[in-house]
Amino acid sequence: AQSVTQLDSHVSVSEGTPVLLRCNYSSSYSPSLFWYVQHPNKGLQLLLKYTSAATLVKGINGFEAEFKKSETSFHLTKPSAHMSDAAEYFCVVEDTGRRALTFGSGTRLQVQP
Amino acid sequence: GAVVSQHPSRVICKSGTSVKIECRSLDFQATTMFWYRQFPKQSLMLMATSNEGSKATYEQGVEKDKFLINHASLTLSTLTVTSAHPEDSSFYICSARDSRSSYNSPLHFGNGTRLTVT
Repeated sequence: AQSVTQLDSHVSVSEGTPVLLRCNYSSSYSPSLFWYVQHPNKGLQLLLKYTSAATLVKGINGFEAEFKKSETSFHLTKPSAHMSDAAEYFCVVEDTGRRALTFGSGTRLQVQP
Repeated sequence: GAVVSQHPSRVICKSGTSVKIECRSLDFQATTMFWYRQFPKQSLMLMATSNEGSKATYEQGVEKDKFLINHASLTLSTLTVTSAHPEDSSFYICSARDSRSSYNSPLHFGNGTRLTVT
């Protein structure tokens, strides 16, 4: 079975400083990995996805993630946080058989002014 | 871009009544849709996979008689919470992928339905 582990339930940064949200995955073969963002009481928005092409994936709103097979990691980064980035972030792995998604436990990002 | 419309966005119902939630793909066809449930401050848990024209596939621990899923067309799946109880209060989210797109096309999510059972 595939799974993802988000190492931090809560991350707080100051506006303008870098963001790092950590994710480790477990998969018996090359997975499809995603990062989604959820604002309060809203649905989910896809930030970026990795599907075995380039290991450094660029997403929307300045976010990017690097797939590191040796470390089984897919950490999400952004050089400079903005107040509007405050939200819940989910690292997600796709079950390539059923094509359903398995979500990590989520990381709440807080951005301080 | 592809849009998934979920309705209603919020619903409050009394214990013992049933509630239907609709999930529509607005500009694409979806042979498969997924229903997720999210408890407060928790992650999303897959409840079931809705298959157009056939029975839904439920995840372990999800009561199929409690959460009825109907996927009668290529653009509509419904989730009915039958005889709702307060413990069914949750945020329900559907998702769908364009059936005609490439294998790696992403899932599109609805904006969710906040169900409160009093």
